[in-house]
Amino acid sequence: KAGVTQTPRYLIKTRGQQVTLSCSPISGHRSVSWYQQTPGQGLQFLFEYFSETQRNKGNFPGRFSGRQFSNSRSEMNVSTLELGDSALYLCASRPSRDRGQESSYNEQFFGPGTRLTVL
Amino acid sequence: LAKTTQPISMDSYEGQEVNITCSHNNIATNDYITWYQQFPSQGPRFIIQGYKTKVTNEVASLFIPADRKSSTLSLPRVSLSDTAVYYCLVGDMRYTGNQFYFGTGTSLTVIP
Repeated sequence: KAGVTQTPRYLIKTRGQQVTLSCSPISGHRSVSWYQQTPGQGLQFLFEYFSETQRNKGNFPGRFSGRQFSNSRSEMNVSTLELGDSALYLCASRPSRDRGQESSYNEQFFGPGTRLTVL
Repeated sequence: LAKTTQPISMDSYEGQEVNITCSHNNIATNDYITWYQQFPSQGPRFIIQGYKTKVTNEVASLFIPADRKSSTLSLPRVSLSDTAVYYCLVGDMRYTGNQFYFGTGTSLTVIP
């Protein structure tokens, strides 16, 4: 089974621009989460999507947004880029279920990340 | 949101056993404890997961005391390729809507 894929792997943008990153989860996984990783702040949760709906959101400004498509693929967008947005953006998928449904699977799988550099 | 505390860094010689302890005082009843390994510029990779007592797989062991307020990852006979950052994560990944706190992680350096 193929793992989580993220595109592009590397990206260079300038301040004020916007960027869209893409994530394809493992086949059958309906939950996709996004994380930002920087040397100063570590791994921070951005948001989670499940069945095309945002289920949870971390403490990030509104410039960070995302969406999920019917095939579970997800995109995240950052508008009006700032220097501090330079980071490794990680996507993780898991076969989560809504509460009330049975699931014994309890693991999330990470993609290789997209390295964004803002100049 | 269950927060975790780990040592920032550790050094070990090749061939030794390494134990990394994580504190998670506010762990909830349904939370599992999961450890990840991360190399530079790569996504975290699952190592081991447990709920209570002891779990062992081909790469590591996980010890969880009865009160579950801490856990210890044990890496037997480490090699240079085990140099990485190790994260302890507490939560229930079976359902959506849960947020996970990675903490600072422990940077392990294996010395030849």
